[in-house]
Amino acid sequence: EDKVVQSPLSLVVHEGDTVTLNCSYEVTNFRSLLWYKQEKKAPTFLFMLTSSGIEKKSGRLSSILDKKELFSILNITATQTGDSAIYLCAVEHPNYGGSQGNLIFGKGTKLSVKP
Amino acid sequence: NAGVMQNPRHLVRRRGQEARLRCSPMKGHSHVYWYRQLPEEGLKFMVYLQKENIIDESGMPKERFSAEFPKEGPSILRIQQVVRGDSAAYFCASSPSIGQPQHFGDGTRLSIL
Repeated sequence: EDKVVQSPLSLVVHEGDTVTLNCSYEVTNFRSLLWYKQEKKAPTFLFMLTSSGIEKKSGRLSSILDKKELFSILNITATQTGDSAIYLCAVEHPNYGGSQGNLIFGKGTKLSVKP
Repeated sequence: NAGVMQNPRHLVRRRGQEARLRCSPMKGHSHVYWYRQLPEEGLKFMVYLQKENIIDESGMPKERFSAEFPKEGPSILRIQQVVRGDSAAYFCASSPSIGQPQHFGDGTRLSIL
């Protein structure tokens, strides 16, 4: 069965700390891995990763994919209280026709950043 | 440039009634996806549609649930004869083309009394 597993499930840190969130997957016909940030409303897109070893970076956030070991990490440096959210990892699974398909989500990591 | 628009934000129904959830994709996006999020659970794929076509409905319950994305107007997720177990947050996402990331709406919180 296809699955995406995130760890830890929750994490409490203080402002200024650096955090690493983990995502491992077992999916047939992998196409891409995506990270989202979910606060109270819509999951907000962060990164889309398709190739191993190429780091994607946006401000204090960065992510990398290892397709051999089937995992990805999301790093957040110099955390701020505004980083508090649930971070979701999802793997794209092509549908029967081979075109863009549905996302298989992990349960998320709940990050709390204390002042 | 408006994002994915879902309405209503909150919907309350009694058991046995029908629920209709609407989703207008981002401008220029022709691919629409519906997901369900149960308490303490991750987002689960339900159905993937393009204009007037259902591409993949492998995540949809076989009974009571249906979805459409007509040529004109929003995509509709319809739940007939709702039961307590249908209470969840229903999210819609859209993307412009193959290989592009999906962008999500704020969701509809469905509560069944």
